Amino acid sequence: GIQVEQSPPDLILQEGANSTLRCNFSDSVNNLQWFHQNPWGQLINLFYIPSGTKQNGRLSATTVATERYSLLYISSSQTTDSGVYFCAVERRGGATNKLIFGTGTLLAVQP
Amino acid sequence: EAGVTQFPSHSVIEKGQTVTLRCDPISGHDNLYWYRRVMGKEIKFLLHFVKESKQDESGMPNNRFLAERTGGTYSTLKVQPAELEDSGVYFCASSQDVGTGPSEQYFGPGTRLTVT
Repeated sequence: GIQVEQSPPDLILQEGANSTLRCNFSDSVNNLQWFHQNPWGQLINLFYIPSGTKQNGRLSATTVATERYSLLYISSSQTTDSGVYFCAVERRGGATNKLIFGTGTLLAVQP
Repeated sequence: EAGVTQFPSHSVIEKGQTVTLRCDPISGHDNLYWYRRVMGKEIKFLLHFVKESKQDESGMPNNRFLAERTGGTYSTLKVQPAELEDSGVYFCASSQDVGTGPSEQYFGPGTRLTVT
């Protein structure tokens, strides 16, 4: 099946720093989503981005589908950005729309 | 518009007991999915409903898990009997029906299940 790899696995930042999280996938995809799992365990939708670039406040994401990767940019990080960031993909040509998740990037933003 | 809701938010049960989780999707969403994250590992797909029909249940771990979606509205996921390794966070998601194309999945807040 399709493999989804995220890097780095762990990241510690000082408040105000910028960061880039990467998601590589091994096959063509129909759908790619970025999520933030907050310390309470809730999954928050960040971006629905099968291709192109989107921005939402301090966060932006770019997916280059032809090269099978996506990047999530966090600028001017805040302590509330802490948590696990997941990317998830839906394989093109799959029988269903199930999402395959990466292993996540654990981000800790220190004050 | 209300989002995906799940109940309960947290459940603590003893090994061998039964637990039923409930998910209410976004109104009008025909697709409903269950996922879970156990032992701090990656989030894994369990099954997918289209309306009341099971489209894909390839992720269901074993026959102790039973999912239903009567009437194509809310869904329940029953674990009977629960085992220690079932502990984790169970997520429900829903999406619109866009034919054979992809659509964004919206996730609920999850149910944290602890089996002792």
